[in-house]
Order: sequence, then C-alpha cells, then structure tokens
Amino acid sequence: NAGVTQTPKFQVLKTGQSMTLQCAQDMNHNSMYWYRQDPGMGLRLIYYSASEGTTDKGEVPNGYNVSRLNKREFSLRLESAAPSQTSVYFCASSPRTRQGKGLYEQYFGPGTRLTVT
Amino acid sequence: LAKTTQPISMDSYEGQEVNITCSHNNIATNDYITWYQQFPSQGPRFIIQGYKTKVTNEVASLFIPADRKSSTLSLPRVSLSDTAVYYCLVVTSGNTPLVFGKGTRLSVIA
Repeated sequence: NAGVTQTPKFQVLKTGQSMTLQCAQDMNHNSMYWYRQDPGMGLRLIYYSASEGTTDKGEVPNGYNVSRLNKREFSLRLESAAPSQTSVYFCASSPRTRQGKGLYEQYFGPGTRLTVT
Repeated sequence: LAKTTQPISMDSYEGQEVNITCSHNNIATNDYITWYQQFPSQGPRFIIQGYKTKVTNEVASLFIPADRKSSTLSLPRVSLSDTAVYYCLVVTSGNTPLVFGKGTRLSVIA
C-alpha cells in the first residue's frame, strides 16, 4: 500500500517548456487535490477533483490544467512554464465524496520540487 | 469559509507540553476543526480532528470550548522530532476544499 505517489521528485524546466506532474493513489479515494507551496508559505490549492471525470478550480489555477484520468490518477500540466511557477507541488487524496460524505482526512504525497529558469 | 488565526511561531524545550491555540470566530454549526503537521520537505500529515470538548489520540489532544470559536492543540512532552509546522483548519460540510494558512512553526530546543 503505497498511499499517494508523485513523479517526478525533482524537475528543472526552462521558461516556456511544458510538463505534466503525475499523481496516483491506491486507497480508492474519491477526491484528489493539487497544491503548491512556496518557501515559508502555507499550501495553496490549484485544482481539485471530487470524483472521476470532474475537476474544479482552486485558489491559484492560472497557468495550470488538470486531468482526472481515472479514480486513481490525477495529473497536473504546465503548458508554458514561468519562473513564478517555481514551487513544491503536492498531490493529496481524500475519501470525501462530491456530496460531502465520508472522512475529510487528506493524505499527501511526497511532493515534486519544480524549478523554472 | 471560517478563517483561522494561529501564532506564526513558537519555541519550546524538549520534554515540555506545548499548546497551540487557533481562533476561528465564524465557525459554522456543522464545521469540524482539524490539525495537520508538516515536517520539512514532506507533505502535511493529519494529526487530529474534533467537533467539541476534548479529543485525544496517540499523538495529541484537541481541546474545543463550548462556543467553538477557538481550539487548542496540545502536544505532551515534545521532542526534537516534533519540530514542524502545525496547521489549524476548519472543515466545512460538503466538499469545500481545505484552506491551509501559514500555520505555526514549532521549534523544539534541546
């Protein structure tokens, strides 16, 4: 039982390049989330998915796209990376359903450290 | 969403009990209070959640007064390994995402 896994662990991009961050969970959770954390700051929600096939914007969605491929996987794509997107990206999952049923405990992955030069 | 306010940082010596208080003045009737812990270079980890009075688990205790406008996370006899950032969050009904503030940076000193 690996929990929440993220790939890659580290990535360096040049401005304008694109990439996809991958996230998978093996806990059969309904909800999945993408956060970014800048140095000395709390986590800010980028996008979330309350169920397979649905996605919703969070606090800072600009410059990102997401895809809930199936119940297990939730990817985050940067179409044209900018230095302002240098951050640590965390994926999380929760048993919570779209209707608000179930525990709201979130389980986090180890993070992806992204640097955009 | 209920806004939370907690101290930016706290220092403690090893072996002491640490209490971190969080205020959430506009908490709604169906909201819960939850706390997360984040070690450097790791994702946050759920510690404890409660609705009212006292909740205790193997890691911490959570005290919530009758008016529920604040809560206190209590860490008994802290060690160096408890050095982390602690986040207080209010969980609303439905599937409204959690809002993480800047948290409280706890430094445990030998």
